Amino acid sequence: DAGVIQSPRHEVTEMGQEVTLRCKPISGHDYLFWYRQTMMRGLELLIYFNNNVPIDDSGMPEDRFSAKMPNASFSTLKIQPSEPRDSAVYFCASSWRGEQYFGPGTRLTVT
Amino acid sequence: GQQLNQSPQSMFIQEGEDVSMNCTSSSIFNTWLWYKQDPGEGPVLLIALYKAGELTSNGRLTAQFGITRKDSFLNISASIPSDVGIYFCAGPGNAGGTSYGKLTFGQGTILTVHP
Repeated sequence: DAGVIQSPRHEVTEMGQEVTLRCKPISGHDYLFWYRQTMMRGLELLIYFNNNVPIDDSGMPEDRFSAKMPNASFSTLKIQPSEPRDSAVYFCASSWRGEQYFGPGTRLTVT
Repeated sequence: GQQLNQSPQSMFIQEGEDVSMNCTSSSIFNTWLWYKQDPGEGPVLLIALYKAGELTSNGRLTAQFGITRKDSFLNISASIPSDVGIYFCAGPGNAGGTSYGKLTFGQGTILTVHP
């Protein structure tokens, strides 16, 4: 298996622009997670899905953030409008029976 | 929510030395996971533990699930430069629940190995 696939690996955008991050989980995994990592706050869980259904979005910072999982093999995290404080590395992870496997991350820079 | 305390926060060691780090939780866990994150990459699962007292090895790495179910330990023997990175412990994010859902992560241990 190719593992969790994320795109793009790097994104640089201007404040106010819409940003869409993409994730393809490992085939057969029934959970999908979106995390954000910064030096100051460490690894934060934003939202997670079970069988494509959002279970807990309490970590989503504000309404500018939204996530979807239209099918078992694809998820998006959207930020609209983006702000400089959104700059971070965003990870997608998938799991089956508890062992989470992370993607390589998307490094987002908002100028 | 669940709280994990991981220590030490950072370690500076010489190549060839052994390393020990640990994680304690505020409540009982039924699963412990250990991850390593290399610079610029996502965390990689090293070892998963499912039973109290369990001792599991993965090459030079050995992890133990504490008998009290509130702690876990990770040891690295004969460290090499590629062991450099951040090591995270993780456990179930829901009190008393399974780890099938969200995880709680420790703050991480930053390991530096001097050649």
